[in-house]
Amino acid sequence: EPEVTQTPSHQVTQMGQEVILRCVPISNHLYFYWYRQILGQKVEFLVSFYNNEISEKSEIFDDQFSVERPDGSNFTLKIRSTKLEDSAMYFCASSEWVGDTGELFFGEGSRLTVL
Amino acid sequence: GEDVEQSLFLSVREGDSSVINCTYTDSSSTYLYWYKQEPGAGLQLLTYIFSNMDMKQDQRLTVLLNKKDKHLSLRIADTQTGDSAIYFCAESNTDKLIFGTGTRLQVFP
Repeated sequence: EPEVTQTPSHQVTQMGQEVILRCVPISNHLYFYWYRQILGQKVEFLVSFYNNEISEKSEIFDDQFSVERPDGSNFTLKIRSTKLEDSAMYFCASSEWVGDTGELFFGEGSRLTVL
Repeated sequence: GEDVEQSLFLSVREGDSSVINCTYTDSSSTYLYWYKQEPGAGLQLLTYIFSNMDMKQDQRLTVLLNKKDKHLSLRIADTQTGDSAIYFCAESNTDKLIFGTGTRLQVFP
């Protein structure tokens, strides 16, 4: 069964460093998402991406964050200068179509620890 | 803004029914979802319900929706140890999902 894969599964970084989290969405999917979950808190929407551009972003997704689909298969989330509060589990998701019944398929998550 | 609330923990005996509850605030949500997260895994869609329905049954899963009270529940019949996981309620808003904090279901023999 096709699946969304994410790397790394866990990354530890120093505050102020740049981090890139990578995702390979399901191959025929057109819509891509990043969500995050700070430990003990809710899963929060960060950004959605379609047709090589951001379609929606939350207020969490400030100038320190960027997304890219560099080669038609990978979908990356970059955090330019990490802060302690960026420590969270980051989930990538993809869907074949958008809308209420466009099922989101989630990856297993990348745990980011900022020291 | 939109908000989704769930209780954090539920512990049940194997073979009993589990009921996980959720409340939400956005009355314009057209679909509501239940996702399951097993240890070390991603979020897996279990089931969803359209807002003009009040019940949906899928094998051992029953979803009840009280749109007036903005209350959603997931009932798992004959709960098994393999059902132990975190269950997330979510509502849709445009093309993004608003999740609750998740309810950790623990099933003991």
